[in-house]
Amino acid sequence: AQTVTQSQPEMSVQEAETVTLSCTYDTSESDYYLFWYKQPPSRQMILVIRQEAYKQQNATENRFSVNFQKAAKSFSLKISDSQLGDAAMYFCAYRSAQGSNYKLTFGKGTLLTVNP
Amino acid sequence: ETGVTQTPRHLVMGMTNKKSLKCEQHLGHNAMYWYKQSAKKPLELMFVYSLEERVENNSVPSRFSPECPNSSHLFLHLHTLQPEDSALYLCASSLYWDNTEAFFGQGTRLTVV
Repeated sequence: AQTVTQSQPEMSVQEAETVTLSCTYDTSESDYYLFWYKQPPSRQMILVIRQEAYKQQNATENRFSVNFQKAAKSFSLKISDSQLGDAAMYFCAYRSAQGSNYKLTFGKGTLLTVNP
Repeated sequence: ETGVTQTPRHLVMGMTNKKSLKCEQHLGHNAMYWYKQSAKKPLELMFVYSLEERVENNSVPSRFSPECPNSSHLFLHLHTLQPEDSALYLCASSLYWDNTEAFFGQGTRLTVV
């Protein structure tokens, strides 16, 4: 079974600075998807960024980028120019790309605080 | 706002009560999901519906009973719950059950007393 580990329960960053959230996962599969979701106090999970395992290029979405290290099974999220609105719980998630195994497996989350 | 609406936002119920959670989406999605989010634990997938048919029941106790009358609506009927069932219940939808992107609602905060 796949597992997702987020080793940082909490992180903080100064506004306008850069922060990196860590995520590692365990799988025996070669083809899969990785996600970072953001859950602000409104509780709505919002997809931040997605990475397909077969792509070597790291995904980027504006101020959000990932460092995907397939051999190391590592998938970290970098937030540049942090804004107050970035404060939220961040969840790393894994999904198989094989057949009917569509289940999203989530990590326990990292609570990000942005200090003004 | 992602187009997935859950009601109520908060619910307090006794262990002998019967209540229902509602989820609605008008995104044209064909798959809907119930997740349970407990403190200090990863999100747990409970049920998956695809085209109104249940395709996944993740070993969920029978005191949780899902219903999907059509592709836009999903219910979670609750009866004789336990205090440990207190959690945030999140609904999500995706275009198809094997689609990579899921859109989540804001959840129902359930407290069982």
